[in-house]
Amino acid sequence: KNQVEQSPQSLIILEGKNCTLQCNYTVSPFSNLRWYKQDTGRGPVSLTIMTFSENTKSNGRYTATLDADTKQSSLHITASQLSDSASYICVVTPGREYNFNKFYFGSGTKLNVKP
Amino acid sequence: DGGITQSPKYLFRKEGQNVTLSCEQNLNHDAMYWYRQDPGQGLRLIYYSQIVNDFQKGDIAEGYSVSREKKESFPLTVTSAQKNPTAFYLCASSIASGGYNEQFFGPGTRLTVL
Repeated sequence: KNQVEQSPQSLIILEGKNCTLQCNYTVSPFSNLRWYKQDTGRGPVSLTIMTFSENTKSNGRYTATLDADTKQSSLHITASQLSDSASYICVVTPGREYNFNKFYFGSGTKLNVKP
Repeated sequence: DGGITQSPKYLFRKEGQNVTLSCEQNLNHDAMYWYRQDPGQGLRLIYYSQIVNDFQKGDIAEGYSVSREKKESFPLTVTSAQKNPTAFYLCASSIASGGYNEQFFGPGTRLTVL
């Protein structure tokens, strides 16, 4: 069964600290993995997208890694800011053999950055 | 100012009523999607449309209906047949269908059944 599991469900850190969010998936074949940031009561916004051949991709203080062999991805946030408080959602798209519009969403990690 | 808009932001419905959620985009995107978000769950696809006058059921289409008469608009109707409609509804669009194309999401509509 194709699934996307995220951990932890929620996380509280102090402003300025680093944190790492995890995403494990069983989706196969794999096309790409995207991380979204969703502020409370808002729509998700894309942070990064990674394909099979990419191991690391950065977007400012956000760095995503992908290990396609173990089907794991992580999102590392450096020097956290209060504005990083949000839910972070991992989304996996299966390969071309599957429904081209099928996306597998994780349930998200809710990050709370405290001053 | 390009983007995707949804209205209303909050919607209250009495049991037995149909309600329609609006989704408009001026990004010139061909593909549009409707998702439902419940606490502790990933987004679930209700309907999607790859092109004008065409739409397909997603994973949880029962109790919902859509239309795609214009490229810019993809309204969702929540019918009285939907047994548990209270949720956060998100509309998205992408330049074309296909998983590599980024989905741009609207701000969402929170529907509450009284």
